[in-house]
Amino acid sequence: GAVVSQHPSWVICKSGTSVKIECRSLDFQATTMFWYRQFPKQSLMLMATSNEGSKATYEQGVEKDKFLINHASLTLSTLTVTSAHPEDSSFYICSARDPQGSGTQYFGPGTRLLVL
Amino acid sequence: QKEVEQDPGPLSVPEGAIVSLNCTYSNSAFQYFMWYRQYSRKGPELLMYTYSSGNKEDGRFTAQVDKSSKYISLFIRDSQPSDSATYLCAMRGTNAGKSTFGDGTTLTVKP
Repeated sequence: GAVVSQHPSWVICKSGTSVKIECRSLDFQATTMFWYRQFPKQSLMLMATSNEGSKATYEQGVEKDKFLINHASLTLSTLTVTSAHPEDSSFYICSARDPQGSGTQYFGPGTRLLVL
Repeated sequence: QKEVEQDPGPLSVPEGAIVSLNCTYSNSAFQYFMWYRQYSRKGPELLMYTYSSGNKEDGRFTAQVDKSSKYISLFIRDSQPSDSATYLCAMRGTNAGKSTFGDGTTLTVKP
């Protein structure tokens, strides 16, 4: 299956700092990528849909200015958590859609963020 | 009411059992159906993908879609402890559409 990588796999930062998470599709070009967050033992929560070359579409209740998404190329999308606070601590997972065939979403391994 | 409802579990079975995981949905436009497996602290991994109604088999896994009943299932035969994970169903209406996920069912297979 298609491979999606995510970096870093975990990060610890101080409150008030910004953190950037990268998501790459390694063996296919993804015009659309998705960003999710997941709290322990809870379901995936879609944060935003990222389309290459255009602005991301955010889900209701997700702060655009806090969670900056950039999809500058067909293989890379980034999520920047700006001025992170402890309540932003979570598991962030990206997903890329393979436009060939089924258009199925493939997920990255996730990034665990801990804000102190 | 959610568009996709998944049996919440948790589900605990002995090794070798047949496992049935199920989801129902309300949107008749859904045509693409997926099952993902998520191990603890990992991203979801695509297990099965089905288009429209019917069955699809891959090793010990069988996915069934009944569009008339708006019901999908994932069967795991000869379950193994390594199958212990959370299973997520997902579906969408078009090739380019956004997928809607179930909340997941946590499965534990005991040796």
